[in-house]
Amino acid sequence: DAGVIQSPRHEVTEMGQEVTLRCKPISGHDYLFWYRQTMMRGLELLIYFNNNVPIDDSGMPEDRFSAKMPNASFSTLKIQPSEPRDSAVYFCASRGTSGGRPEQFFGPGTRLTVL
Amino acid sequence: SQQGEEDPQALSIQEGENATMNCSYKTSINNLQWYRQNSGRGLVHLILIRSNEREKHSGRLRVTLDTSKKSSSLLITASRAADTASYFCATDYNAGNMLTFGGGTRLMVKP
Repeated sequence: DAGVIQSPRHEVTEMGQEVTLRCKPISGHDYLFWYRQTMMRGLELLIYFNNNVPIDDSGMPEDRFSAKMPNASFSTLKIQPSEPRDSAVYFCASRGTSGGRPEQFFGPGTRLTVL
Repeated sequence: SQQGEEDPQALSIQEGENATMNCSYKTSINNLQWYRQNSGRGLVHLILIRSNEREKHSGRLRVTLDTSKKSSSLLITASRAADTASYFCATDYNAGNMLTFGGGTRLMVKP
């Protein structure tokens, strides 16, 4: 398995622009998580899905952030409009429930810079 | 918040020495997990210890859990330069769905 795939790996954009981050979870995993990592706040859970349904989005910072999972193999995190304080590394992770193992598998992350 | 706190924030040792990192948390958990993050990479799961376990081993890793003190420690024995990374504890109070990560310990192992 290729692991969790994220694109793009790096994104530089200007304030006010729309940003879309993409994630392909590990095949067969039924949970998908979006995290944000910054020096100031560490690693924060933004939202997670189970079987493509958003379960908890209490970590989404503002209405400017939205996430979707149209099918089991694809999810997007969108920021519109973007602001400089959104600059961070965004990670997607997935987990499978078969076998009862709760560990999460992380993608390589998308480093977002908003100028 | 259930965020774990890690101690020390940074640790520098020589190759061959042991490295110990500590994690404290605030409320009851199902399990506690340790992850490693190499610079510029995603997190990689290392080891999990359940709330009813006190000690667990995996290769050169040894994890302990003291639920009465709400603390855990990760010991890396006979460290190698390749162990240089940041190490995070993650508390799990919702069966793997709501991991709360600590701030991490940055470990540097000098050759």
